[in-house]
Amino acid sequence: GDSVTQMEGPVTLSEEAFLTINCTYTATGYPSLFWYVQYPGEGLQLLLKATKADDKGSNKGFEATYRKETTSFHLEKGSVQVSDSAVYFCALRRSGNTPLVFGKGTRLSVIA
Amino acid sequence: DAMVIQNPRYQVTQFGKPVTLSCSQTLNHNVMYWYQQKSSQAPKLLFHYYDKDFNNEADTPDNFQSRRPNTSFCFLDIRSPGLGDAAMYLCATSRDTVQETQYFGPGTRLLVL
Repeated sequence: GDSVTQMEGPVTLSEEAFLTINCTYTATGYPSLFWYVQYPGEGLQLLLKATKADDKGSNKGFEATYRKETTSFHLEKGSVQVSDSAVYFCALRRSGNTPLVFGKGTRLSVIA
Repeated sequence: DAMVIQNPRYQVTQFGKPVTLSCSQTLNHNVMYWYQQKSSQAPKLLFHYYDKDFNNEADTPDNFQSRRPNTSFCFLDIRSPGLGDAAMYLCATSRDTVQETQYFGPGTRLLVL
């Protein structure tokens, strides 16, 4: 079945450091790929998405590129802020009436 | 501006006492979802409605039921909560099953005493 594997956290970085959170997936066909962010005590918010190979999703300084050859969708940000502290979930969804499949999440803590 | 609203944000119930969580949306989306998220885990889909059609995930316990009386509202009923049902419950919507973006509410955290 479909699955998403994320790097295990927690990840602790200093402010302005470079961030990479690895995500790889297993799925049949050509899924859409997503990154969701969950701030403390809140629900999930869509951060960015990509719907086909080589697409780059970007938002709020975060980027991720859909790499079909490596089945990856790594999240990157060049300079993190304390306000980026949250849990980040990678997810996929095949077309049609199929549910989102989430990874287990990676907790990021950014310290000043 | 609120799009997916969940009430209450925190709910305390007693072991075995039925509880209902509510979700409403102002997006007029066809699909509404309920997820269960336990601490430090990924959200797990329980079921979803496409309009009035109910779709249950195969591993969702019978203890969990749902109702959707109209487009805007969807309820999660837990008939006999156990200690293991303590979790964050997330409601989400999407325009339809082809539209891939899901919009999540803030969640209701359920505590079972």
